[in-house]
Amino acid sequence: SQTIHQWPATLVQPVGSPLSLECTVEGTSNPNLYWYRQAAGRGLQLLFYSVGIGQISSEVPQNLSASRPQDRQFILSSKKLLLSDSGFYLCAWSSTSLQYEQYFGPGTRLTVT
Amino acid sequence: AQSVAQPEDQVNVAEGNPLTVKCTYSVSGNPYLFWYVQYPNRGLQFLLKYITGDNLVKGSYGFEAEFNKSQTSFHLKKPSALVSDSALYFCAVRDKGNTDKLIFGTGTRLQVFP
Repeated sequence: SQTIHQWPATLVQPVGSPLSLECTVEGTSNPNLYWYRQAAGRGLQLLFYSVGIGQISSEVPQNLSASRPQDRQFILSSKKLLLSDSGFYLCAWSSTSLQYEQYFGPGTRLTVT
Repeated sequence: AQSVAQPEDQVNVAEGNPLTVKCTYSVSGNPYLFWYVQYPNRGLQFLLKYITGDNLVKGSYGFEAEFNKSQTSFHLKKPSALVSDSALYFCAVRDKGNTDKLIFGTGTRLQVFP
């Protein structure tokens, strides 16, 4: 069966510090991978998605970047965090063989102070 | 433009009563529709989907959803609510312009009172 991992679970970082959040998927090959941000426990904002190694699509201009160095690894980064980067970050994967539903990781709660 | 709407920010229901969480969509052609549930500080969990076939779709935890093409709706239902059903519910539709993406609604908070 497939599983998705995210770490860390929680993170408190000062403004201006760098960020690296990691997401890995097990039990599937060549998944589509996604990073979302959820503010204040409500709507989801798609930040990045990837359909293959090195292929990243950015949905909104922002202070963040994403990379996919391996088939089942997706990394969200920032060189200098802003207060507005605080939120709940969710990674998800999908596969065309599963008819497009996405499966989400447990999330990372980021607080920028 | 494609979209999905959840018109209620919050739905309150007494335990044991039936519940409905509403979702309407705007997509050309035949939509792929999904429901997810999110418990506090957790990721979203997939509940059910409609792709084609029977308009009544059954999913996890006793939930079901009814696809209504004429009303462009995909309401989530459960015959008898449990306190443990209290959570945030999201409706989503596959983006036809980019089938790798889902378009999510803004979420509806379901509160089930004992």
